[in-house]
Amino acid sequence: DQQVKQNSPSLSVQEGRISILNCDYTNSMFDYFLWYKKYPAEGPTFLISISSIKDKNEDGRFTVFLNKSAKHLSLHIVPSQPGDSAVYFCAASAREAGGGGSNYKLTFGKGTLLTVNP
Amino acid sequence: KAGVTQTPRYLIKTRGQQVTLSCSPISGHRSVSWYQQTPGQGLQFLFEYFSETQRNKGNFPGRFSGRQFSNSRSEMNVSTLELGDSALYLCASSRRGGPNEQFFGPGTRLTVL
Repeated sequence: DQQVKQNSPSLSVQEGRISILNCDYTNSMFDYFLWYKKYPAEGPTFLISISSIKDKNEDGRFTVFLNKSAKHLSLHIVPSQPGDSAVYFCAASAREAGGGGSNYKLTFGKGTLLTVNP
Repeated sequence: KAGVTQTPRYLIKTRGQQVTLSCSPISGHRSVSWYQQTPGQGLQFLFEYFSETQRNKGNFPGRFSGRQFSNSRSEMNVSTLELGDSALYLCASSRRGGPNEQFFGPGTRLTVL
């Protein structure tokens, strides 16, 4: 059962335009969401996160929107640059039942390959 | 500050063998998590260690095990390798664990023949 879904395996965008990457989740216990970017032959790099108490978080060209009722989040990149071409992973976490402190684990989507064309 | 390092970067094994992968976290980070990445399944959580104790575990068979040493370095072991274990194994460290940003290493590419 896939709890975090990225339904678009790939997305192609022109340089300077907006890139919108989408992510859906099924577990209502998820309370923290993150986006990671991954280049080939490198590990994922943290991009931006959002807590379930917010509906928007912005960091430079990157904005994440969270719609809790729809169990949907999206990452907007404006303007898109060729260097943004990478695989983007959405991840979610929930405090493990019965655990104390920081008993979280991340559940990742399968990723979306973003290609930004010059 | 040095990043997360993983050794070896590439490994080829045959079915039935066992393998040990190593991860050195960023200095000062006490939490190390391991993930398996395959084309079909994406990134899947294996387990997390914090201060030498396994704190979280994913849904993998007992053939997958790990440990963490007092210097926070971590090892992951897979016994009786199967073809389906071929994957990129990623380790990530963070200061306290939890959902906040984890810093990933480059991964170990394991191929099982």
